[in-house]
Amino acid sequence: DAKTTQPNSMESNEEEPVHLPCNHSTISGTDYIHWYRQLPSQGPEYVIHGLTSNVNNRMASLAIAEDRKSSTLILHRATLRDAAVYYCILYSGNTGKLIFGQGTTLQVKP
Amino acid sequence: NAGVTQTPKFQVLKTGQSMTLQCAQDMNHNSMYWYRQDPGMGLRLIYYSASEGTTDKGEVPNGYNVSRLNKREFSLRLESAAPSQTSVYFCASRIQKSYNSPLHFGNGTRLTVT
Repeated sequence: DAKTTQPNSMESNEEEPVHLPCNHSTISGTDYIHWYRQLPSQGPEYVIHGLTSNVNNRMASLAIAEDRKSSTLILHRATLRDAAVYYCILYSGNTGKLIFGQGTTLQVKP
Repeated sequence: NAGVTQTPKFQVLKTGQSMTLQCAQDMNHNSMYWYRQDPGMGLRLIYYSASEGTTDKGEVPNGYNVSRLNKREFSLRLESAAPSQTSVYFCASRIQKSYNSPLHFGNGTRLTVT
């Protein structure tokens, strides 16, 4: 299974943009890139996903490198409620498995 | 819609006892998953069921069994609990046939084995 590498932690100031990186150098052509986040004492929640093109939704943007070996989750204006662990995951349609890595713990300072 | 419902929310077991964690979803999803999360760690996949009638091992299946009872329900059984199985267990579901569908998680079962 292709794996992802993320920094253990990042800090941001409230109302500033945040760029969360993810490396997935062994990604295969059919793997989708998914992002989830987990707030304290809750189950993970879906944020965004993409295959090749950059994606935007109401929560965030996803920028995917042209060679697909890395991606970046962008929170345009961080709020205190965005403090969470963010997981970058590769979804393989061939196996149906979603494997979570360690994730990045995002701290947002007021 | 309740989404993904897990029962119980909390459980304390003694070493060697058995129990079944229940999970049900009301979203007509095909695939269901069981993950465990240890303190300060990410989620690790225990078992998953891509569709009704099928189950497959994930990363850490040892010490667990699963049953996909029907499309709605996917249970996780610990036959002989061990302290190493102290963890938070999350059930999730998704529509398997669509790459665009996200995972929906329950709120977890916090299990302590003494």
